[in-house]
Amino acid sequence: EAQVTQNPRYLITVTGKKLTVTCSQNMNHEYMSWYRQDPGLGLRQIYYSMNVEVTDKGDVPEGYKVSRKEKRNFPLILESPSPNQTSLYFCASSSQTGQGAFFGQGTRLTVV
Amino acid sequence: GEDVEQSLFLSVREGDSSVINCTYTDSSSTYLYWYKQEPGAGLQLLTYIFSNMDMKQDQRLTVLLNKKDKHLSLRIADTQTGDSAIYFCAEKGSDTGKLIFGQGTTLQVKP
Repeated sequence: EAQVTQNPRYLITVTGKKLTVTCSQNMNHEYMSWYRQDPGLGLRQIYYSMNVEVTDKGDVPEGYKVSRKEKRNFPLILESPSPNQTSLYFCASSSQTGQGAFFGQGTRLTVV
Repeated sequence: GEDVEQSLFLSVREGDSSVINCTYTDSSSTYLYWYKQEPGAGLQLLTYIFSNMDMKQDQRLTVLLNKKDKHLSLRIADTQTGDSAIYFCAEKGSDTGKLIFGQGTTLQVKP
């Protein structure tokens, strides 16, 4: 089954404690990205990757890091989380054909 | 810059048609999408339309694209309570895989 898998689904952490949210896709897609969803703001892109070892900033990259060492994985790293990073995070992947992106189920992160 | 706008809320009665509207600014958009998000779930791709098309129909869903006015709409025929969700319009630029999303329209279907 074609899918994008994120882990964990829910996470509560404290300010400053490094964390990683994993994302994996099984569709051999080139393009992967991370979004955060906040009430009234829709989805905003954090980082994206057009292929292995190619990553670039989206609209709201501050406080986040990513890596793309393998095609299937695109982890999101928060080196020093802060409360304003409390949000719902989605990973997505797509091929270059433009026929839509597949989204993970989301990770609800709370930073206290 | 790139921007996608949607109204935030729509309420309809079960069995009626729903029309969700979206405007976008990037005239170079190649694909336009409609996604559905149910409570506690991720985004599910409902349908998409290529920018050289005017209309696309898929069962109860009809997408209309007015490229001149940069206006996209999603019509859901015979709306059911299971259609209650947030609907996102998104556009894809011509040279990247980046999707620009609207704020989402919450569709409430009353029995």
